[in-house]
Amino acid sequence: QITLKESGPALVKPTQTLTLTCTFSGFSLSSSGVSVAWIRQPPGKALEWLALIYWDDDKRYNPSLKSRLTITKDTSKNQVVLTMTNMDPVDTATYYCAHRRLPFDYVYDYWGQGTLVTVSS
Amino acid sequence: DIQMTQSPSSLSASVGDRVTITCRASQSISSYLNWYQQKAGEAPNLLIYAASSLQSGVPSRFSGSGSGTDFTLTISSLQPEDFATYYCQQSSSIPPTFGGGTKVEIK
Repeated sequence: QITLKESGPALVKPTQTLTLTCTFSGFSLSSSGVSVAWIRQPPGKALEWLALIYWDDDKRYNPSLKSRLTITKDTSKNQVVLTMTNMDPVDTATYYCAHRRLPFDYVYDYWGQGTLVTVSS
Repeated sequence: DIQMTQSPSSLSASVGDRVTITCRASQSISSYLNWYQQKAGEAPNLLIYAASSLQSGVPSRFSGSGSGTDFTLTISSLQPEDFATYYCQQSSSIPPTFGGGTKVEIK
């Protein structure tokens, strides 16, 4: 079955760079059509889509955050990595990675458990 | 960005009630509308995709309808495990955007 799990620091300081890793199983990110996205949720607030990477290494970013985000994949390790620069307290959120529900783009049928990242000095 | 507006933001209902949640898009999104359920402390769970298609494993008491800008999620007979927050999401264009959520509470 498909599983995803996020990992990374629980606490980062303002201006630092955040690096999150999504480790998955049950599918291959080298299979045609597959993509993995990152989505975040500030405490008590709604969800915000951040970025996605496709099997062919094509990438999409939320325009409002594009200058701060980089998404990459390591197919051999079954991992997707998201980096976010210049972290601010408003970036405090639970960060999720999610699997695309083929063949529909931007629809997510499997999600990781999420990892809470707090930005504070 | 396409803005998604849900109503109500919260509601109280009893087990067995019929519950309807609405979602409005700021521009036409055809049928590129999805619904997720999120329970406290958990990740979202896909219920409905493409406005009216039931995700595998989701009970048939959940249904979705609508197209263009106006959409509805209906729970035909509310069950204890349905108390949660529900989000609509448009998948028409980048960035995909979510509604503010509707919290369904026990009456």
